[in-house]
Amino acid sequence: GEDVEQSLFLSVREGDSSVINCTYTDSSSTYLYWYKQEPGAGLQLLTYIFSNMDMKQDQRLTVLLNKKDKHLSLRIADTQTGDSAIYFCAERPTGSARQLTFGSGTQLTVLP
Amino acid sequence: DTAVSQTPKYLVTQMGNDKSIKCEQNLGHDTMYWYKQDSKKFLKIMFSYNNKELIINETVPNRFSPKSPDKAHLNLHINSLELGDSAVYFCASSQDQLAGVYQETQYFGPGTRLLVL
Repeated sequence: GEDVEQSLFLSVREGDSSVINCTYTDSSSTYLYWYKQEPGAGLQLLTYIFSNMDMKQDQRLTVLLNKKDKHLSLRIADTQTGDSAIYFCAERPTGSARQLTFGSGTQLTVLP
Repeated sequence: DTAVSQTPKYLVTQMGNDKSIKCEQNLGHDTMYWYKQDSKKFLKIMFSYNNKELIINETVPNRFSPKSPDKAHLNLHINSLELGDSAVYFCASSQDQLAGVYQETQYFGPGTRLLVL
């Protein structure tokens, strides 16, 4: 079945790197996404990766995709207090007619 | 220059009432969606809709119905509201194709916080 899993909480010190992990189940997913949700706000698309890629870098963000293990990670370099938020990974499973399946979200807390 | 907008931002209502949440996108996208986020922040798709098809998540009660007056709008109507309907509802949109390339990226609205008393 469709199931995307993330750890619920992550705390890091300001200036350190954060790594948020995600596992998914549908090996035929074509796109995988990372969204950010700040308190009381909507979802902001951070980045996405196409399934034929292993890595994608966008400024402080690095996405790694291991298709064999169905593992996706988001690395945030030089984490800032403004990065504190919930981070969701999402996949579009085959046959879902464009509907995304989200993980439970990882609450990232950046400590000063 | 809002991309995906929703109204109202907050909605407090009594059990049994009927309410609507509106969504508009000015991105020229082909497909719109409604998601529900519960108190544990878990997000689940409710509907996806374009001018060709409506896909309904089978777990959504038929008290919920999407209504699309035109391509830029997808409203969510809820009949006989229940306590368990309290949640944040997100609208999203995506463009099916751009220069012949299939696009899948969804852009979300700010959410409507519904509280049923």
